[in-house]
Amino acid sequence: AQSVSQHNHHVILSEAASLELGCNYSYGGTVNLFWYVQYPGQHLQLLLKYFSGDPLVKGIKGFEAEFIKSKFSFNLRKPSVQWSDTAEYFCAVEDTGGFKTIFGAGTRLFVKA
Amino acid sequence: SQTIHQWPATLVQPVGSPLSLECTVEGTSNPNLYWYRQAAGRGLQLLFYSVGIGQISSEVPQNLSASRPQDRQFILSSKKLLLSDSGFYLCAWKRRLQETQYFGPGTRLLVL
Repeated sequence: AQSVSQHNHHVILSEAASLELGCNYSYGGTVNLFWYVQYPGQHLQLLLKYFSGDPLVKGIKGFEAEFIKSKFSFNLRKPSVQWSDTAEYFCAVEDTGGFKTIFGAGTRLFVKA
Repeated sequence: SQTIHQWPATLVQPVGSPLSLECTVEGTSNPNLYWYRQAAGRGLQLLFYSVGIGQISSEVPQNLSASRPQDRQFILSSKKLLLSDSGFYLCAWKRRLQETQYFGPGTRLLVL
């Protein structure tokens, strides 16, 4: 069965620190990969996605993620976080032929001003 | 543009009472529709999805059911709520040939 594992449930950083959130998935076939973000009081929304091509994808607000197929990983990165990046981040996997998306447990990021 | 609505935003219900949560999508046709439950530390659990009117796929055995009486309407129901049904319920849609999902504002359900 498909599964998604996010390594950290809570992360606390100071502004300007670098961020890396880990995500590993378990699935034998080709997948689409996503990072979603939920800011306090807002809807869950797409941060970035990978379908094919360049494994390094760039999203909104300076975020990027790298797909490493051999490691079944899709880690999220940002060189310098801001206070406004405080949110909950979800990694998600969808098989290319199906309709279902499997989400990780989420990582709550708190950025200290 | 497309929008997705959920109501109510918050609901407090006694154990054993029925439930009906509604989700509607505007500005698109033939969407795939989804119900998720979000629990702290457990991410989003897919409950049901639908690829068309009257077509419902259930992902987990539970006390809940879903229906899609119209193309852009998705309803989550229960005949008798349990304490364990408490949680945050999210509806989402996506276009059939695109993979990004768009989420609604959610309904927070508390069963007492």
